[in-house]
Amino acid sequence: DADVTQTPRNRITKTGKRIMLECSQTKGHDRMYWYRQDPGLGLRLIYYSFDVKDINKGEISDGYSVSRQAQAKFSLSLESAIPNQTALYFCATSDSGQGARGYGYTFGSGTRLTVV
Amino acid sequence: SQKIEQNSEALNIQEGKTATLTCNYTNYSPAYLQWYRQDPGRGPVFLLLIRENEKEKRKERLKVTFDTTLKQSLFHITASQPADSATYLCALVSNAGNMLTFGGGTRLMVKP
Repeated sequence: DADVTQTPRNRITKTGKRIMLECSQTKGHDRMYWYRQDPGLGLRLIYYSFDVKDINKGEISDGYSVSRQAQAKFSLSLESAIPNQTALYFCATSDSGQGARGYGYTFGSGTRLTVV
Repeated sequence: SQKIEQNSEALNIQEGKTATLTCNYTNYSPAYLQWYRQDPGRGPVFLLLIRENEKEKRKERLKVTFDTTLKQSLFHITASQPADSATYLCALVSNAGNMLTFGGGTRLMVKP
């Protein structure tokens, strides 16, 4: 099983619909992140959570919300999807000492979301 | 404003040569810099981390340098192989924060 699992892998939804993307991890990491990737724009941080009770907005949080249901689960919601939210979405995890120990983030395989 | 810049044009090289990718940044005081590999439709995979007080880090055929005066990191793949073809992303964690910020990535194509 993958360390970081994202569901669904692909999703097509209509404008105005609510959609939830889910992420679960078996790494035991305390920190979880949601990134969005668009061609030519790289990865941009949407929300991040350093533990279950700590949730913070990232660079592009407008139009998104998150829920950290447990240490291992972090979901991203689009309350009313719009076409410019069409993108590749990645969940990532890390632990609080990862930089000091020389480790990077662990990413899921992504969810390709299309809003029509 | 803070920027992390990587060459958006693809780098094409011949198998066996050394590939060198560049990452430049402005208005950051990075605690450390990371390099990731990303294959099409997949999530980024961590390769190497280099700290602000380190000049060079090696791992097998990979070498990363970090010059905080020039505000630049170079990523080298020696004896490149077609399997090294991918997009390579650099990312910074600043001393002011704990989050990773990514550059746009450079696509590497290694031709047999």
